[in-house]
Parts: sequence; structure tokens; C-alpha cells
Amino acid sequence: KNQVEQSPQSLIILEGKNCTLQCNYTVSPFSNLRWYKQDTGRGPVSLTIMTFSENTKSNGRYTATLDADTKQSSLHITASQLSDSASYICVVTMNYGGSQGNLIFGKGTKLSVKP
Amino acid sequence: EPEVTQTPSHQVTQMGQEVILRCVPISNHLYFYWYRQILGQKVEFLVSFYNNEISEKSEIFDDQFSVERPDGSNFTLKIRSTKLEDSAMYFCASTETYYEQYFGPGTRLTVT
Repeated sequence: KNQVEQSPQSLIILEGKNCTLQCNYTVSPFSNLRWYKQDTGRGPVSLTIMTFSENTKSNGRYTATLDADTKQSSLHITASQLSDSASYICVVTMNYGGSQGNLIFGKGTKLSVKP
Repeated sequence: EPEVTQTPSHQVTQMGQEVILRCVPISNHLYFYWYRQILGQKVEFLVSFYNNEISEKSEIFDDQFSVERPDGSNFTLKIRSTKLEDSAMYFCASTETYYEQYFGPGTRLTVT
């Protein structure tokens, strides 16, 4: 079954600290892996997208890694800010060959950054 | 910066009623999507739409659901006879290529 599992479910850190969120997936055929940030009551906003051949990608203080062999990804947040408080969702896109595929979402990690 | 918009932000309806959720995708985008997120659960794919027809749909997208692009700007999701379990946030997304999707702010549907 195509699944995306994230850990931890929730995380509380102090402002300025770093943290790493984990994602494991069992999605096939694989097209790409995305990390989204979702503020409460809002739509997801893309942070990074990685294809099979990419090991790491950065977007400001966010750095995502991908190990396609072990089917694991991580999102590292550096020097956290209060505005980083949100749910971080790992999403894997299935590739159906000529079609668009669809997105398999993880449940997300709820990050709270405290002053 | 262009963005996906959705209306209404919150819709309350009685069980058995029809609802239409509206989305205005980013203007030059060609692919359109609907997702839903039941409170406390993960986002789930409903349907994708390209070239005026459904490209793919999930098991959730049964005969009670339909999508339409009635004009050059709007993209709608209709639920014919709502059930309590249809209560969720519904997100519209669009993309120019299928690589990057931009999500709207969502419509919260409450079925009573």
C-alpha cells in the first residue's frame, strides 16, 4: 500500500534551535518528494521538491534530504523562528507514466516554536 | 504574486443538500486539483483535471462528486447530496506543469 509516514507527530522547540523532521515512504512508482508547510486553517505551501536523483535541496533555513534507496527523507530547520510554528507535511508523488500522477500525503509533524 | 483563491471560506449545509465549492486557479495554469482534509487527518487527493476533463480521481471521488470548469477562470467541486462525513477542509490547487502545485486557502465545509 502506498503510504507516507512522518515522525515525530509533534515537536516543541525553543526559538533559535535547530530541528529535524523525518519522513519514510512506501510509494511506487516514485516521481518526486515534496515538503510543505501548512499554517493552521490554511493551504499547504511548498518548501522543497526533490526528484529521484536529488539528495539534498535547500530553501533558506530549510534543508531537505532524500535517500531514494532507503525511501527516507528529512527536513532540517535551522535557527528556528516563532513563525516556523506550523505543520510540516511530506508528500510523495506517484508517477503513472504519461499521466500526472497524484500526491500521497503524510499526516504531518506539528512544530511549535516557543520563545 | 498570483495565488489560488477559493470561495466561500466556510460553508455550512444540511445533510442531503447540494454544495458547490468554487476555486479560481492561477491564470496561466493548466492542471487543477481538489483535495480534502478531514479535521486532524492528512490531506487526501480527490481529483485532477486537465484539458476540460478529469485526469485521475481517487476512491473518495464517487458519483456524488463532480468537477467543472464552467468558464475560463473558475474551477468548481460539486457534492450532490452531502453526508456528515463530507465535513472537511477542501483545497483547490493548480499548476502550470504538474511539477509544482499551488494550493488555495481552503473552504471549510460543515455538514449538519
